[in-house]
Amino acid sequence: GAVVSQHPSRVICKSGTSVKIECRSLDFQATTMFWYRQFPKQSLMLMATSNEGSKATYEQGVEKDKFLINHASLTLSTLTVTSAHPEDSSFYICSASLGTSGGNEQYFGPGTRLTVT
Amino acid sequence: SQKIEQNSEALNIQEGKTATLTCNYTNYSPAYLQWYRQDPGRGPVFLLLIRENEKEKRKERLKVTFDTTLKQSLFHITASQPADSATYLCASYNQGGKLIFGQGTELSVKP
Repeated sequence: GAVVSQHPSRVICKSGTSVKIECRSLDFQATTMFWYRQFPKQSLMLMATSNEGSKATYEQGVEKDKFLINHASLTLSTLTVTSAHPEDSSFYICSASLGTSGGNEQYFGPGTRLTVT
Repeated sequence: SQKIEQNSEALNIQEGKTATLTCNYTNYSPAYLQWYRQDPGRGPVFLLLIRENEKEKRKERLKVTFDTTLKQSLFHITASQPADSATYLCASYNQGGKLIFGQGTELSVKP
C-alpha cells in the first residue's frame, strides 16, 4: 500500500524560532499533498493544499507567510512554521494523493507533534 | 456550512460486544463517506469507504451503512476486542473538493 512518512515525529522549539516538517511519499509519486492541523480532542483541519511545482493553496484563516509550504518534487513536501509561538503547538499531519482534484484517496502520514515553549 | 458530526462522547463497551458509532452530515449530500482509525499520536488510517448508492459495506468485523434519508452513516465493529480501542473518524469530500472530518469518537473496549 501507499506509505507516507513524516519527519520529525516530534519537535520542541523555542518561541520565535522556525521549524521545518518533511512529508514524503515513499512508494508512489504524489501529485498533490495536503497539510492538516489537529488540536487535542478535535478534528483534523485542512491548512493547505500543495501541488508539485506550484504555489500552495491556503485555507481561510491560515497565514501563508507563517506556514511556508514547498512541494519541490513529487515525493516531498515541506511545511515550515516560521516565528513559532506557543499557540502553534499542535499535531501536524500531511497526506498525499495521486490526483490533482478533490475526491482522490489520500494517504496520511504518522503526524508531527510540535511543541513551542 | 457543510459539516460532518460525530458523537464526541467516548464509547465504552465490553469485549465481544458490537460497537456502533454514528456520523451525521449536514448541508450537503456526499457521494461517499470514509471511515478512518486514529491511534493516539498517529495519523489516520483508512478503513472503509461507502458510496451513496451502497446501503451497506462489510470488511471482516467492520460494517458501515449509509442512509441518505437520515443523512447518516453508522460504523459497526462486531466481536470487539481491546485492540479495537482507538478514535474513529468519519470523513467526506465537500462540494469544494476538500476532505472534511468529524471530530471523531473515542472507543474503549474493556476486557
